[in-house]
Amino acid sequence: AAGVIQSPRHLIKEKRETATLKCYPIPRHDTVYWYQQGPGQDPQFLISFYEKMQSDKGSIPDRFSAQQFSDYHSELNMSSLELGDSALYFCASSPPTGGEYEQYFGPGTRLTVT
Amino acid sequence: KQEVTQIPAALSVPEGENLVLNCSFTDSAIYNLQWFRQDPGKGLTSLLLIQSSQREQTSGRLNASLDKSSGRSTLYIAASQPGDSATYLCAVYTSGTYKYIFGTGTRLKVLA
Repeated sequence: AAGVIQSPRHLIKEKRETATLKCYPIPRHDTVYWYQQGPGQDPQFLISFYEKMQSDKGSIPDRFSAQQFSDYHSELNMSSLELGDSALYFCASSPPTGGEYEQYFGPGTRLTVT
Repeated sequence: KQEVTQIPAALSVPEGENLVLNCSFTDSAIYNLQWFRQDPGKGLTSLLLIQSSQREQTSGRLNASLDKSSGRSTLYIAASQPGDSATYLCAVYTSGTYKYIFGTGTRLKVLA
């Protein structure tokens, strides 16, 4: 079965640089979620999109922006990177709601800021 | 605001023991609760998902229960093995939101 695809899987950037993370949801899934997991921490919700519109927002820094495109893939853009942005970034997707609201998680992108 | 807590934070047991990991949440209006396994530096592996209308789910040596009214879930691991060593996270999907709230995790080490 197809899973959520995230690219790249690993990314190394320097401080003040920009990074773009991509997420390709499972086919026919219309909702995408982004989470950030810092070292030794639990995953924290950043932002979600339903049918290309922002549906919920967590503690996402103003330096970060995201969008969902017409093919439902999503991109997380991170500017002016800081050392503290080093983390594992997960994307998840869910199908049109049938009352179950399950999210399927991708393998994550490990971002290292040096 | 939903808060999710897991107890214990860490657990070290000899191989073969039966284990209970606990997860508590403050808002009982949930769609579902999901248990994940995470190996160091790796992604999230979904173990069991319990819908709000369900009381428990089972997969192999794993059994998860849900008591929504008291805001509690337990993950039972039977006959633990060294390969079960990992961090176990519970995550709650609160009604009216579009996100999971994760617990703080239980780091499990099973000794051979």
